[in-house]
Parts: sequence; C-alpha cells; structure tokens
Amino acid sequence: GAVVSQHPSRVICKSGTSVKIECRSLDFQATTMFWYRQFPKQSLMLMATSNEGSKATYEQGVEKDKFLINHASLTLSTLTVTSAHPEDSSFYICSALASGGTTDTQYFGPGTRLTVL
Amino acid sequence: GEDVEQSLFLSVREGDSSVINCTYTDSSSTYLYWYKQEPGAGLQLLTYIFSNMDMKQDQRLTVLLNKKDKHLSLRIADTQTGDSAIYFCAVSGGYQKVTFGTGTKLQVIP
Repeated sequence: GAVVSQHPSRVICKSGTSVKIECRSLDFQATTMFWYRQFPKQSLMLMATSNEGSKATYEQGVEKDKFLINHASLTLSTLTVTSAHPEDSSFYICSALASGGTTDTQYFGPGTRLTVL
Repeated sequence: GEDVEQSLFLSVREGDSSVINCTYTDSSSTYLYWYKQEPGAGLQLLTYIFSNMDMKQDQRLTVLLNKKDKHLSLRIADTQTGDSAIYFCAVSGGYQKVTFGTGTKLQVIP
C-alpha cells in the first residue's frame, strides 16, 4: 500500500526554539494532508487540514501562528512548532489523502515524538 | 509491529444496525479507538475503550472488545444516511505510536 513518512521520528529541543516536522507521501500525490496531535494517554486530535497550494484550515483552539503548516508540493507538508514550550511536547501524526476512483484513502505517517525541555 | 485489520466495505439499509469489525495483533494494546472520516475531512473521534473494559455504550454506538481474540467491534444502532463515512479502528499502547486500520467504508442505503 501507499507509504507516508515523517521526519524526524523523535526530536528533543530547548524551550523557545522552533521545530520543523516533515510529512511525505512516498509513492502517491496528496492534495490534502492532515496533522494530528496526541497527548499522553489520550486519543488523536485533528489540528489542521493542509491543502496543496493554499492556506491550511485549523481546528478550533489550534493557534495558527504557533503551528505553521506549509503544503508546498503534492508530496510534502511541513509542520513547524514555533517557540516551542514544554506543553507542546506531544506525539504529532500526519496523514495523506490518496484519491483514487470513487474512494479516497487516508494513509498515516508513523508519527513524530516532540519533547521540549 | 502492530497490525490492525478491517474489512473494506459494509452496506446496510437505513434503520438497520451496522457492525464494523476490527482485529489487531498486539495484546499489549491499551487504548482502542473508533474514528469517523467523512469525505474530504479529517478524522473525528467517535468513541474509545480501554483494554480493561469489555463493552462501552454511547447513545447509538456500542463498542465490544474481546481481548482473547483481539477483536474490536463498533455497532451503530438505527443507522442513518448521515452515518455514511469511513470508520477507522486504531490501537495504541499509550503514549506511543497509534496504529490505524485501513478503514471500513459504510454505505447506508435509504
């Protein structure tokens, strides 16, 4: 099946720095990608919908100036956590929507674990 | 690694019950989720169950967990056309990678 990669798989950074997470669809093009966040012992929460060539759509309560999303090509979306703080420590997962025929299939990346010291 | 499997497609008549099944391989899975995805939209959490529970009911939704067989199911009572969507089963060991199933497309026939 289709593969979605994320880089890095885990990152540790100091408070106040910015961290960029990449999401790539390796063998298909994705007009739409999604970014999710998972807090410890909680389920996934949708953060934003990323559409190639246009601005991302953020869910209520997600700060767009803090979580910058860029979907510059049909195979790459990036999430930048700006001025990260310890409360941003979380597991971030992306997914890419593969359109084919009459159905769209969503493929998930393996996730990125962010720890902010 | 963890494998999560679901049947790809389910068709039911409006008003009937829908049962979507999911099997997983990792017996240490602690959190088990059901998500709904409408066309073009991201996942929305429907319900979840912890591994120390056998059943959870939330209005029209009933989740059943058989840990021995590593089988999870989602029952939707009185299925409506608005329930047409793709339903994802997902399992997690906690603050770890969430593994999703392939999704089951539910078609509700009026």
